[in-house]
Amino acid sequence: ELKVEQNPLFLSMQEGKNYTIYCNYSTTSDRLYWYRQDPGKSLESLFVLLSNGAVKQEGRLMASLDTKARLSTLHITAAVHDLSATYFCAVDIGGTALIFGKGTTLSVSS
Amino acid sequence: DVKVTQSSRYLVKRTGEKVFLECVQDMDHENMFWYRQDPGLGLRLIYFSYDVKMKEKGDIPEGYSVSREKKERFSLILESASTNQTSMYLCASSLQDRVYGYTFGSGTRLTVV
Repeated sequence: ELKVEQNPLFLSMQEGKNYTIYCNYSTTSDRLYWYRQDPGKSLESLFVLLSNGAVKQEGRLMASLDTKARLSTLHITAAVHDLSATYFCAVDIGGTALIFGKGTTLSVSS
Repeated sequence: DVKVTQSSRYLVKRTGEKVFLECVQDMDHENMFWYRQDPGLGLRLIYFSYDVKMKEKGDIPEGYSVSREKKERFSLILESASTNQTSMYLCASSLQDRVYGYTFGSGTRLTVV
């Protein structure tokens, strides 16, 4: 059974600090996606990572994929309050449906 | 702007009612999905469809059915709503090869009383 594990599940950060969210998965995949969800809202696509070594950056967020280690990271640089949200990774194992992690809830405070 | 539209943002239904949740996408996507999201449980796949009139069970299909008569529309049906089906329901769609991942609708928060 495929497992997608995110850690930490909850993250409280101070503004201006850096941190990394980890997404580990248990079977072979070379496609991984990151989504953001604001409270009470739906999921918004952040990054699409389609090959080993893929790195994508948008503003203060950078995502990377290491398919050999079965690991993706979402790095937050100099956090600001607007980044407070829940972040999900999702893995494509070649079936029809993506497999989602449980999400990491990020809270950024001053 | 491409969209996945869910017909209701909030719904309140009574126990035992038959409930229809509608989802329409305008991107000509082959795949459509229904998830429910509950605190601490993440997203759980209910049903998905990879073509018109095709459907596949996800992880938690019990108590639900689906209909896909047209490519752009995927309906989730709660045959006899129960209080444990109170949840946020998310519809999503994707291209056949999922190369861009999913596009999600805005969600329907269903309360069964």
